[in-house]
Amino acid sequence: AQTVTQSQPEMSVQEAETVTLSCTYDTSESDYYLFWYKQPPSRQMILVIRQEAYKQQNATENRFSVNFQKAAKSFSLKISDSQLGDAAMYFCAYRSAKAGGTSYGKLTFGQGTILTVHP
Amino acid sequence: EPEVTQTPSHQVTQMGQEVILRCVPISNHLYFYWYRQILGQKVEFLVSFYNNEISEKSEIFDDQFSVERPDGSNFTLKIRSTKLEDSAMYFCASSLVSGGFGYTFGSGTRLTVV
Repeated sequence: AQTVTQSQPEMSVQEAETVTLSCTYDTSESDYYLFWYKQPPSRQMILVIRQEAYKQQNATENRFSVNFQKAAKSFSLKISDSQLGDAAMYFCAYRSAKAGGTSYGKLTFGQGTILTVHP
Repeated sequence: EPEVTQTPSHQVTQMGQEVILRCVPISNHLYFYWYRQILGQKVEFLVSFYNNEISEKSEIFDDQFSVERPDGSNFTLKIRSTKLEDSAMYFCASSLVSGGFGYTFGSGTRLTVV
């Protein structure tokens, strides 16, 4: 079974600075997808960025980028030019790429990292 | 952009009562999921549903829980006899395929058991 670990329960950053959130995972599969979700106080799950394991190039979405290290099974999220609106809980998640596989597409989440942004 | 719709947004129920949480997945999606998040904790998988049957369930999803797709559009989660520890946020999600991207969450139902 896959596991996802976020070792930083809380992180803080000054507005306009850069912060990196860590995520490691364990899997025996070679093809999978990784996600970062943002959960603000409203508790809605908002997709921030996603990465396909077979792509070596790191995904980027505006101020958000990832550092995907497949051999190390690491998937960190970098937030540049942090804004007050980035304050939230961030979850890393894993999904098998096997269509019709035994996991049937469920997401496995890490424990989450609470990000505080200081003005 | 298509959405997954969940109702109600917040439900308060008495311990021992049955509760039904409702979800309308994206219309052409084939795979449906329920997740649970106890306040301050991680999001946990409950059950996946495909082709009108449960395809996978976690150990959390015991006999108190059931799911169905009664009319081809709604996807419901029923808790037969609620306990205090069932208080959580429940998320519905849907996906066109079991692998890949294209996974969409609803905005959640906050269930409070008193």
